Amino acid sequence: AQTVTQSQPEMSVQEAETVTLSCTYDTSENNYYLFWYKQPPSRQMILVIRQEAYKQQNATENRFSVNFQKAAKSFSLKISDSQLGDTAMYFCAFMKRTNDMRFGAGTRLTVKP
Amino acid sequence: DTGVSQDPRHKITKRGQNVTFRCDPISEHNRLYWYRQTLGQGPEFLTYFQNEAQLEKSRLLSDRFSAERPKGSFSTLEIQRTEQGDSAMYLCASRRSRDYRWPQHNEQFFGPGTRLTVL
Repeated sequence: AQTVTQSQPEMSVQEAETVTLSCTYDTSENNYYLFWYKQPPSRQMILVIRQEAYKQQNATENRFSVNFQKAAKSFSLKISDSQLGDTAMYFCAFMKRTNDMRFGAGTRLTVKP
Repeated sequence: DTGVSQDPRHKITKRGQNVTFRCDPISEHNRLYWYRQTLGQGPEFLTYFQNEAQLEKSRLLSDRFSAERPKGSFSTLEIQRTEQGDSAMYLCASRRSRDYRWPQHNEQFFGPGTRLTVL
């Protein structure tokens, strides 16, 4: 079974600063996908960034980037130039090639003005 | 079609009652997923459909839970004889089948959820 661990229940960052959210996972699969989803308060979950396991290059989407370490089974999310609108729960998720997505317990990020 | 929709958004029921939730996926998405999310936790997979076929069910889906997708479009999730432990947010998500030409299509798009409170 695949498990996803987010060891930081809560984090905070000052506006315009950089923050890194941690995620580790456990799998015996070689081909899979990793995701970071954002869930703002009382709003629906939206995708922040994705990474295909077969790609060595770390994914980047504007202010969001990942540090994917396949051997270490680590997948951290870096948010640069944090904005107040980044305040949300962030979930790391793992998906095998064909099936369901497994989520971590989440990290509550607060961006302070 | 602006996204995945779920109805109702909130449901309060008494223990022992039956409830049914509906999910309307994005129209061209043939895969549909149900998740349960309790407070402070990440979503937990319940079941998924490819078109009208239910292909996988989690151990979390007890015999009081049943899901259908009769025409391969919308889906319903029914909980019979609700218990207080069923109180949670029930999320629906949809996506296209994986296609090597468009890897971005493995993204799941989530609905706003149905929050169930069992008294």
